[in-house]
Amino acid sequence: GENVEQHPSTLSVQEGDSAVIKCTYSDSASNYFPWYKQELGKRPQLIIDIRSNVGEKKDQRIAVTLNKTAKHFSLHITETQPEDSAVYFCAAVDNYGQNFVFGPGTRLSVLP
Amino acid sequence: DTGVSQDPRHKITKRGQNVTFRCDPISEHNRLYWYRQTLGQGPEFLTYFQNEAQLEKSRLLSDRFSAERPKGSFSTLEIQRTEQGDSAMYLCASSRDGLQETQYFGPGTRLLVL
Repeated sequence: GENVEQHPSTLSVQEGDSAVIKCTYSDSASNYFPWYKQELGKRPQLIIDIRSNVGEKKDQRIAVTLNKTAKHFSLHITETQPEDSAVYFCAAVDNYGQNFVFGPGTRLSVLP
Repeated sequence: DTGVSQDPRHKITKRGQNVTFRCDPISEHNRLYWYRQTLGQGPEFLTYFQNEAQLEKSRLLSDRFSAERPKGSFSTLEIQRTEQGDSAMYLCASSRDGLQETQYFGPGTRLLVL
């Protein structure tokens, strides 16, 4: 089955700096890669996703890149703000949307 | 609020008791998922429905766990003879039917087994 690894497990950055979180997956059949943000005590919320037919997607300060050959994808947050502090989860999904495997999460702290 | 809702939000029970959780998906979503999340971990898939049909179950779902979605709308997750290891957040998510559809999560039910 699919296995998703995520690094780092914790990340602290100064406000205004960039943050990068990397995920690797094992199943070449996976072709949809969403990223979720979970604030303390709240539900995971989708922040950005990428499908296997594109290499990069950007939405304001957030971008995701995908390397299907190497089976890894990354989340990039620029100009970080304190409200970006949360746990971020990547996931890999197969073509039928039935196999939704999450990474273990990265706790991001943005220091003022 | 037209998002995914779950009830109750918190449940404290004694070991050996049965508990039941409810999930109401977004109304036009055919797919419904249950996940378990423990502290410091990502959500772990438990089971998945397409309409009323339960199509997949994780090996994490022991025979003490059962899920239903009788009319293809809300779903229930029952845990029988709870154990302390069942303590976790139980998350429900729903999505449209189709390839690569986004899952929208509910607020979760936090279970504590004493």
